[in-house]
Amino acid sequence: QSVLTQPPSASGTPGQRVTISCSGSSSNIGSKDVYWYQHFPGAAPKLLIYKNDQRPSGVPDRFSGSKSGTSASLAISGLRSEDEADYYCAAWDASLSGWVFGGGTKLTVL
Amino acid sequence: EVQLVESGGGLVQPGGSLRLSCVASGFTFSNYWMTWVRQAPGKGLEWVANIKHDGSVKHSVDSVKGRFTISRDNTKNSLYLQMHSLRAEDTAVYYCAGEGENSSGWNRWGQGTLVTVSS
Repeated sequence: QSVLTQPPSASGTPGQRVTISCSGSSSNIGSKDVYWYQHFPGAAPKLLIYKNDQRPSGVPDRFSGSKSGTSASLAISGLRSEDEADYYCAAWDASLSGWVFGGGTKLTVL
Repeated sequence: EVQLVESGGGLVQPGGSLRLSCVASGFTFSNYWMTWVRQAPGKGLEWVANIKHDGSVKHSVDSVKGRFTISRDNTKNSLYLQMHSLRAEDTAVYYCAGEGENSSGWNRWGQGTLVTVSS
């Protein structure tokens, strides 16, 4: 069981907007920044969002992040087939003194 | 070009040891926290350990405490993970990752090295 909770799967059709949730607690999301990573099987993970809602240079503005209380969300608008990947949220957990990941959400573009 | 290249993975018997290395280039390695993240077959990403830029602070996940040690040699732009008492559940692809400026996330990743613990 992961410390952060994500839905195992999500789907959408090209052009749609999809949202992936990430639920935690006061010791992680509730008090620390949230990060989002995109991972294609066999490749290195890629940073999508840092500090809740900041996009690194080179990440399309179709990707956006938000946080409220002990939950966070990743939104992908204008869905494309190349967005089909696994998505993970992560945060520092003050109680564990370590980083924690969500279990990952497999996004399927129908 | 920023590069992180892991090595040292392979097949090891339960109870055995292995040392992973990660060599960095293209950025000032000694300025940044570095991290090991792993992914077991069919599972999600799991943070393993991290180390401050000067090596003075280290953290690790409970499941590897007392068995794995993270270290770095800034003179060699290298990150290490010494693994002892390996278990089947340590089987995974191990990635090294580097944090960006001002806690801006792990924006540098290696391609990973596979560790298989099996008899």
